[in-house]
Amino acid sequence: EDQVTQSPEALRLQEGESSSLNCSYTVSGLRGLFWYRQDPGKGPEFLFTLYSAGEEKEKERLKATLTKKESFLHITAPKPEDSATYLCAVQANTGGFKTIFGAGTRLFVKA
Amino acid sequence: KAGVTQTPRYLIKTRGQQVTLSCSPISGHRSVSWYQQTPGQGLQFLFEYFSETQRNKGNFPGRFSGRQFSNSRSEMNVSTLELGDSALYLCASSLGLAASYNEQFFGPGTRLTVL
Repeated sequence: EDQVTQSPEALRLQEGESSSLNCSYTVSGLRGLFWYRQDPGKGPEFLFTLYSAGEEKEKERLKATLTKKESFLHITAPKPEDSATYLCAVQANTGGFKTIFGAGTRLFVKA
Repeated sequence: KAGVTQTPRYLIKTRGQQVTLSCSPISGHRSVSWYQQTPGQGLQFLFEYFSETQRNKGNFPGRFSGRQFSNSRSEMNVSTLELGDSALYLCASSLGLAASYNEQFFGPGTRLTVL
């Protein structure tokens, strides 16, 4: 069964304390992996797309990496405004294209 | 450039009623996808429309349906509402089919409450 699992469910960091969020997946026919940020009461905001193992992408304090089984979202020296839910989604081609989202990691950054 | 807009933002209905939600994609985007987000199930894919045709469908009952107009605006309809349909319904647009590696841009969502 196609599955996307994110860990941890919640993460509390002090400002400046770097950490990583994990997204592991078991799908056949992976076409792409996406990271989104979602603030309360808003729709997800696109961050990155990764297509193949070994690929890395960076944006400000965020860096996403991809292996054959998982992806990491590294947050370097986070600030309180980075507090949000981070969602991982996998696009798979299994009997038709579909996008499967993980449950998300809620990040809290304290000043 | 205006983002994805969804109307209404909030909706309260009772069991058995039906509801229609609307989504206007970013100008120039031809694909519209619909998702249901609940605390228990997270984000789940409902369906995707491209050039007025449903191209992909998730595992939802037939009570959930949609359509897309020639201007790429899309509507989603839920008939015979159940309590479990209470959720945030999100619309996402992309230039082409989401399956073709296109980035998706989400609207703010419509919060549906079924009493």
